[in-house]
Amino acid sequence: GAVVSQHPSRVICKSGTSVKIECRSLDFQATTMFWYRQFPKQSLMLMATSNEGSKATYEQGVEKDKFLINHASLTLSTLTVTSAHPEDSSFYICSATSGSFSYEQYFGPGTRLTVT
Amino acid sequence: KQEVTQIPAALSVPEGENLVLNCSFTDSAIYNLQWFRQDPGKGLTSLLLIQSSQREQTSGRLNASLDKSSGRSTLYIAASQPGDSATYLCAVGGSGSRLTFGEGTQLTVNP
Repeated sequence: GAVVSQHPSRVICKSGTSVKIECRSLDFQATTMFWYRQFPKQSLMLMATSNEGSKATYEQGVEKDKFLINHASLTLSTLTVTSAHPEDSSFYICSATSGSFSYEQYFGPGTRLTVT
Repeated sequence: KQEVTQIPAALSVPEGENLVLNCSFTDSAIYNLQWFRQDPGKGLTSLLLIQSSQREQTSGRLNASLDKSSGRSTLYIAASQPGDSATYLCAVGGSGSRLTFGEGTQLTVNP
């Protein structure tokens, strides 16, 4: 099956710094990638949708200047959390789809971000 | 706006029992529905994908059904095992490949 990787799996950063999370589709071309965040014991909330070569579409309430998304190639999307604060601590998960008929999304293993 | 509800929120059963997890959604205009499994602190594992034109899908001990008109899906797990313990998430696929997730059902299978 299709494989999506994320790096890093865990990251700890200090308040006020920025951190970048990578999402890669390893064996297929991802025309669309999605970024989710998940708080403890809660479900996944979609943050933004990114299509290769175009600007990301953010969900209501998600600050686009704080969560910078770049989808520069068909296999890589990055999420940069700028000026991170403790409340940004969360589990960030990406997914990717090739846009084929099934529209199935393939999920990465997630990145645990802790802001101290 | 699509809303997805999963019942029950938590379920504890003895090993070997057959069980059913429920998922309901408010907007029947969907492309597909996926069931996922999530272990604590981990990402999602896709279990079954049902296209909007399909009624059910089966994989091993798992069977998922879809009734689009009534906005319901069920995940049936046969002969449950302790290794099945996890959170099960239902997600409905809409336009633009967007998924809307339910809150999940936390399953515990006791040996």
